[in-house]
Amino acid sequence: SYVLTQPPSLSVAPGGTARIACEGHNIATKSVHWYQQRPGQAPVVVISYDSDRPSGIPERFSGSNSGNTATLTISRVEAGDEADYYCQVWDNGGVHPVFGGGTKLTVL
Amino acid sequence: EVLLVQSGAEVKKPGESLKISCKASGYIFTKFWIGWVRQMPGKGLEWMGIIYPGDSDTIYSPSFQGQVTLSADKSITTAYLQWSSLKASDTAMYYCARHEDNEDAFDIWGQGTMVTVSS
Repeated sequence: SYVLTQPPSLSVAPGGTARIACEGHNIATKSVHWYQQRPGQAPVVVISYDSDRPSGIPERFSGSNSGNTATLTISRVEAGDEADYYCQVWDNGGVHPVFGGGTKLTVL
Repeated sequence: EVLLVQSGAEVKKPGESLKISCKASGYIFTKFWIGWVRQMPGKGLEWMGIIYPGDSDTIYSPSFQGQVTLSADKSITTAYLQWSSLKASDTAMYYCARHEDNEDAFDIWGQGTMVTVSS
């Protein structure tokens, strides 16, 4: 089955840029979705289809996907961005969702 | 407003059965898939299965096949996740989430149901 690998943690100072990687074999051939999960809350989609930002998500959030790595970029990081972030794709002809292990973003 | 509202926290003993619910509102229930996701304490998201309430088509993750049952009642726009015999390792937060079509993101999530299994 398809495997997505994320770094377990990332620390960024306020105002800085966070780049969270999601690695998978030829991931560029798949559509990647990103979710933010703040402590004690349900996940929320922040980027869909590699780089689309749902209504209500700040422009500071962006995504890209190339080769074997998809990347979620958060610019001008704020304290409220501190959360776990998960990437997700569909496998098996689009019937099995696969989640990455998650990255804990800490704002210093 | 599109909402998925899940049933409340449960505390059960090993061997007991359980059915938790996910009530949908604000959209056409039969046109979207409902997925279930497990999150064990301090861990990541694990997909359990998805159900299409329109025709009850169900796909299970191999990791959960035979361990749980998904169902849906169109008349009350509610999806269910059930266990026939709980184990301590089923202790987790369980989320339902909606997606429209193949390759789509899970765009709406329930608030989660915490299930604790302890003797």
